[in-house]
Amino acid sequence: GENVEQHPSTLSVQEGDSAVIKCTYSDSASNYFPWYKQELGKRPQLIIDIRSNVGEKKDQRIAVTLNKTAKHFSLHITETQPEDSAVYFCAAKGQRGGADGLTFGKGTHLIIQP
Amino acid sequence: EAQVTQNPRYLITVTGKKLTVTCSQNMNHEYMSWYRQDPGLGLRQIYYSMNVEVTDKGDVPEGYKVSRKEKRNFPLILESPSPNQTSLYFCASSLPPRLAGGGRSYNEQFFGPGTRLTVL
Repeated sequence: GENVEQHPSTLSVQEGDSAVIKCTYSDSASNYFPWYKQELGKRPQLIIDIRSNVGEKKDQRIAVTLNKTAKHFSLHITETQPEDSAVYFCAAKGQRGGADGLTFGKGTHLIIQP
Repeated sequence: EAQVTQNPRYLITVTGKKLTVTCSQNMNHEYMSWYRQDPGLGLRQIYYSMNVEVTDKGDVPEGYKVSRKEKRNFPLILESPSPNQTSLYFCASSLPPRLAGGGRSYNEQFFGPGTRLTVL
């Protein structure tokens, strides 16, 4: 089955700086890579996603890049703000079953230092 | 308001006492899933359902059962809870990818608020 590795587990950056979170996946047939943000005590919410036919996608201050050959994808947050502090999860949609088959990484706790 | 609801939100129980966590969505989604979230382990899928009466195991199904008798409901059943099932549980629903388009995400999971379960 799919295996998703996420690094780092904790990331502390100064407000205004950029943050990068990286994930690798094992199943070359995976075709969909979402990122979820979970604020303290809240439910995970989708912030951006990318499909395997696209190399990069941007939405304001966040962007995701995908390298299918190397089987890794990354989340980039520019001009970080205090409200970006949260746990971020990457995921990959493999071929397990048919419903969603999402396998999540273990999460990155992003801390924005004022 | 489009939403996924779970009940109860918090539950403390004892080993072996059967319990059910309910999940309901009002978005007419075909797909529903249960996840558990544990520190350092992220979100792990327990069971999923592609439609009424269609369910299958996820990555960590041991000790759990589910049913999907109606499209909107997907209860999680713990027949004989054990302390290693102490966790934060999330229900999620989604559209199937074939219905994506028109600005909708390919396969966005809409999560419920979570149920924090403690088994003593």
